[in-house]
Amino acid sequence: DGGITQSPKYLFRKEGQNVTLSCEQNLNHDAMYWYRQDPGQGLRLIYYSQIVNDFQKGDIAEGYSVSREKKESFPLTVTSAQKNPTAFYLCASSIDGSRQPEQYFGPGTRLTVT
Amino acid sequence: DAKTTQPPSMDCAEGRAANLPCNHSTISGNEYVYWYRQIHSQGPQYIIHGLKNNETNEMASLIITEDRKSSTLILPHATLRDTAVYYCIGPDYGQNFVFGPGTRLSVLP
Repeated sequence: DGGITQSPKYLFRKEGQNVTLSCEQNLNHDAMYWYRQDPGQGLRLIYYSQIVNDFQKGDIAEGYSVSREKKESFPLTVTSAQKNPTAFYLCASSIDGSRQPEQYFGPGTRLTVT
Repeated sequence: DAKTTQPPSMDCAEGRAANLPCNHSTISGNEYVYWYRQIHSQGPQYIIHGLKNNETNEMASLIITEDRKSSTLILPHATLRDTAVYYCIGPDYGQNFVFGPGTRLSVLP
């Protein structure tokens, strides 16, 4: 079945540690996205990539980094510079990066940093 | 400034139609309106989108006013599994989607 996988579903880290969240898609989509969601809030865009080896900052990129070395993979690193890293992280993909593409979401990773 | 507004919450009786409104008063002629929903602790799921004509699929219907300043998502026979947060994505995203707080729909038995 085609889709987006994120692992792990729950992740716990100590403050000051970097942590990398995995996102893989087998939909052959060009564009991929990372969002952050806090309790009771909507989604905020962290980074997006319209094509391999290229990515752009979203609205809240500070304290995060990404790479896009392969079309199917878009890992997100939450660095120690991110002041409030505890959140629900969602990865998405779309067929391309044109305006208004339909996005397909993964199940999310819930990160808790103590 | 938010260009898409939705009520924060709504209730609907099971088996009845759920009508979820969205205002997008600044929408331009070539911008689509998208609807997604998010069931608790899951990723958002695409429901439907439209430009100016009303649209229907197996999940819902989308009614867009003639001036395109507002739309209504209709779930014709709501079930308990339709309890979720519903997001109307309008013209405030530019290149990318902006998911606001949405409408929390509670379907009551």
